[in-house]
Amino acid sequence: NAGVMQNPRHLVRRRGQEARLRCSPVKGHSHVYWYRQLPEEGLKFMVYLQKENIIDESGMPKERFSAEFPKEGPSILRIQQVVRGDSAAYFCASSVRWGEEQFFGPGTRLTVL
Amino acid sequence: DAKTTQPNSMESNEEEPVHLPCNHSTISGTDYIHWYRQLPSQGPEYVIHGLTSNVNNRMASLAIAEDRKSSTLILHRATLRDAAVYYCILRDVGETSGSRLTFGEGTQLTVNP
Repeated sequence: NAGVMQNPRHLVRRRGQEARLRCSPVKGHSHVYWYRQLPEEGLKFMVYLQKENIIDESGMPKERFSAEFPKEGPSILRIQQVVRGDSAAYFCASSVRWGEEQFFGPGTRLTVL
Repeated sequence: DAKTTQPNSMESNEEEPVHLPCNHSTISGTDYIHWYRQLPSQGPEYVIHGLTSNVNNRMASLAIAEDRKSSTLILHRATLRDAAVYYCILRDVGETSGSRLTFGEGTQLTVNP
């Protein structure tokens, strides 16, 4: 029983580059959530997607960040033109239905040099 | 979002019970009480949730006050592996915002051998 998988686990980027974070939800789960944990801060919700649709992106910065969850393949969180302040742990979670328990992945730790 | 208040930290001895309190005096009738925990360098992990009645599962018990303004997560016999940050979260599954988990500061539990 594979849980939520995220890759890469660690990602290093220079300022101005793009970062692509991948998340494969638990098999059979069609609801995906992305959260960010800045150093010494708590987890903050970013975006909620349900197969090909963005349901709630109220926590996502308006610029440079985008997310998708295509019909086939993993969910992708994309950060364009990264800045040092984007350095954080990014966690993906999935659930089988809306409102149900969320299963979290191990996270991707992004470091921007 | 309804707010929760938890102690910043608590300590316990191994194999002793632990009672982690949470105050949520502004809880609404449709708010479920969820507990998640985050072990060091890992993603959060679901522990338990409830609405009005006390709940038990293999990990823990959740005791909910009669007026629902507070709850207590009970670990019956703490182990070293239970050392983590424990988050008490309210989710209103009757609202769109109920799709996301709003993490506060949580309680850092230290378990002494």
